[in-house]
Amino acid sequence: GESVGLHLPTLSVQEGDNSIINCAYSNSASDYFIWYKQESGKGPQFIIDIRSNMDKRQGQRVTVLLNKTVKHLSLQIAATQPGDSAVYFCAENRGSGGYQKVTFGIGTKLQVIP
Amino acid sequence: DVKVTQSSRYLVKRTGEKVFLECVQDMDHENMFWYRQDPGLGLRLIYFSYDVKMKEKGDIPEGYSVSREKKERFSLILESASTNQTSMYLCASSLPVISGNTIYFGEGSWLTVV
Repeated sequence: GESVGLHLPTLSVQEGDNSIINCAYSNSASDYFIWYKQESGKGPQFIIDIRSNMDKRQGQRVTVLLNKTVKHLSLQIAATQPGDSAVYFCAENRGSGGYQKVTFGIGTKLQVIP
Repeated sequence: DVKVTQSSRYLVKRTGEKVFLECVQDMDHENMFWYRQDPGLGLRLIYFSYDVKMKEKGDIPEGYSVSREKKERFSLILESASTNQTSMYLCASSLPVISGNTIYFGEGSWLTVV
């Protein structure tokens, strides 16, 4: 899940293992969710998205699971590689006053151990 | 691929200086955003624009202004830089779908105010 504070939650995973990164979102009206990957010194990069009418979506080596009952989102990375080391954060979207309202989590740092 | 380009990657400015951060996107997106990213606080929205010459305050607009004279360009202005504005600034763009659309980010501008 996400935490508030100065230190990011960190997940350390052995190369080749699967990684699961979790995100608890706040608003039950949110209907679109995105996972981003941010490498050190770079901007966030889109990984995968999911709409609220789905509970699972798969990409290349990544799967996103959505549990609307408990407002929980997870990102699964299969066969984690050193290049997967980065900060991962989720974003929840909803319409608000005619605009798109987006709230970002603070992220989880994934460290891949070679 | 969507390209969001921030012209300055690293800047060092003195307290009281006027600072311009420029951003250009090449996908004809209506929405453009400026965020700042600080350790432990995640992404916080400063201003956004949903059309040329239109702007809306985000969550932390104090000390900032913006300009959107052309659809592809969105500028962030610090009228009188202060040390608490030292941060990483991220520009982003998206299509205007209310129900949620992917926000694409630039590579970020690291601003240090001394």
